Amino acid sequence: DAGVTQSPTHLIKTRGQQVTLRCSPKSGHDTVSWYQQALGQGPQFIFQYYEEEERQRGNFPDRFSGHQYPNYSSELNVNALLLGDSALYLCASSVKNRWGTDTQYFGPGTRLTVL
Amino acid sequence: AQKITQTQPGMFVQEKEAVTLDCTYDTSDPSYGLFWYKQPSSGEMIFLIYQGSYDQQNATEGRYSLNFQKARKSANLVISASQLGDSAMYFCAMREGWAAGNKLTFGGGTRVLVKP
Repeated sequence: DAGVTQSPTHLIKTRGQQVTLRCSPKSGHDTVSWYQQALGQGPQFIFQYYEEEERQRGNFPDRFSGHQYPNYSSELNVNALLLGDSALYLCASSVKNRWGTDTQYFGPGTRLTVL
Repeated sequence: AQKITQTQPGMFVQEKEAVTLDCTYDTSDPSYGLFWYKQPSSGEMIFLIYQGSYDQQNATEGRYSLNFQKARKSANLVISASQLGDSAMYFCAMREGWAAGNKLTFGGGTRVLVKP
């Protein structure tokens, strides 16, 4: 059973450019959440997608946008990159269990460097 | 105010000994879930253990156990019989509310280094 996969593994961009990160959820999962983890810090919630809609959003500017496809895979897009966007971007997938709660399982992350 | 606080930035533990990682949380929601994740240097966050706010017993998963003290709002992780492969960052996280799909809020993490 494949876990959460993310691509690419590493990415180097320059300021002002745009980037797209991709995530495939664990088999059977229908919800995808994205987190940004700056060096030396805990992950920060960016947004979550469910049924191809953005269901929740954290405190991130509109430069951060996303999409979810019918097969539940998801993309994170960041426009007008800033140096401060350099971070590890983590995707997590989940599905509601019989108790109505869930557990998020994370992928290996995409390390973005903005020069 | 910080919702999740991990006060130990780093700690050493001798192989085969037990180690306790501290986590305190802050929420006014009576329904919440607490999670611990392990992050090796590769970057992937690995789910370790979960405790629901209404669970009467402390959660256990193999060598991991969660010391849940609700009144003190603490959820410490205990790793028994430490192994070299346990060297990693450990994050405590909280989901406020019971519903699936609520975001996770993470603490700053504790780095554990297991000495042979």
